[in-house]
Amino acid sequence: DAKTTQPTSMDCAEGRAANLPCNHSTISGNEYVYWYRQIHSQGPQYIIHGLKNNETNEMASLIITEDRKSSTLILPHATLRDTAVYYCIVRAPYSGGGADGLTFGKGTHLIIQP
Amino acid sequence: DGGITQSPKYLFRKEGQNVTLSCEQNLNHDAMYWYRQDPGQGLRLIYYSQIVNDFQKGDIAEGYSVSREKKESFPLTVTSAQKNPTAFYLCASSMNREGGNEQFFGPGTRLTVL
Repeated sequence: DAKTTQPTSMDCAEGRAANLPCNHSTISGNEYVYWYRQIHSQGPQYIIHGLKNNETNEMASLIITEDRKSSTLILPHATLRDTAVYYCIVRAPYSGGGADGLTFGKGTHLIIQP
Repeated sequence: DGGITQSPKYLFRKEGQNVTLSCEQNLNHDAMYWYRQDPGQGLRLIYYSQIVNDFQKGDIAEGYSVSREKKESFPLTVTSAQKNPTAFYLCASSMNREGGNEQFFGPGTRLTVL
């Protein structure tokens, strides 16, 4: 799986959009981009994933550049409860040959300021 | 209420004792995973299982053992051979379907070896 690079920490004001960047310049053509977050002392929570197109769900939007070498997770209206560590993960799709685990880096610690 | 349960939330053991961590899921997921997390670090994969009666070593399997006798259960035993067992242990599960598939995590078990 390709390696990802994320800033160590970011601040965002409550009510504003939080934009979390991720670089994955060595991503392969069939690898997905996944985002998870982990609130302190809890299990990680799946947020969103995508392959080529931008994706949106009730939690966030995922913008993937055309060359797929970077992506941005957008939390449209950040709240204090969004304070967490956010992990960007690149992973090959399951193809019937085996489902190995996710590779977690250190992620970005997003702090929402009141 | 569907999900993944891990018990207990906190566990204390004396050095040299084996200890088994429980993980149960009622999501009808095929694959299950065990991760370890140390303070300030990302998750590292210990073991994973795609189907019943089959499991594979992850990146840090030494000192650990697992079994997968039922689809919904994937217990992890931390043996006395594990040099630094104190950590936060997370269990996850996912469907094995073509393409992208997200993993869902349990709340974790914090193991402290005294």
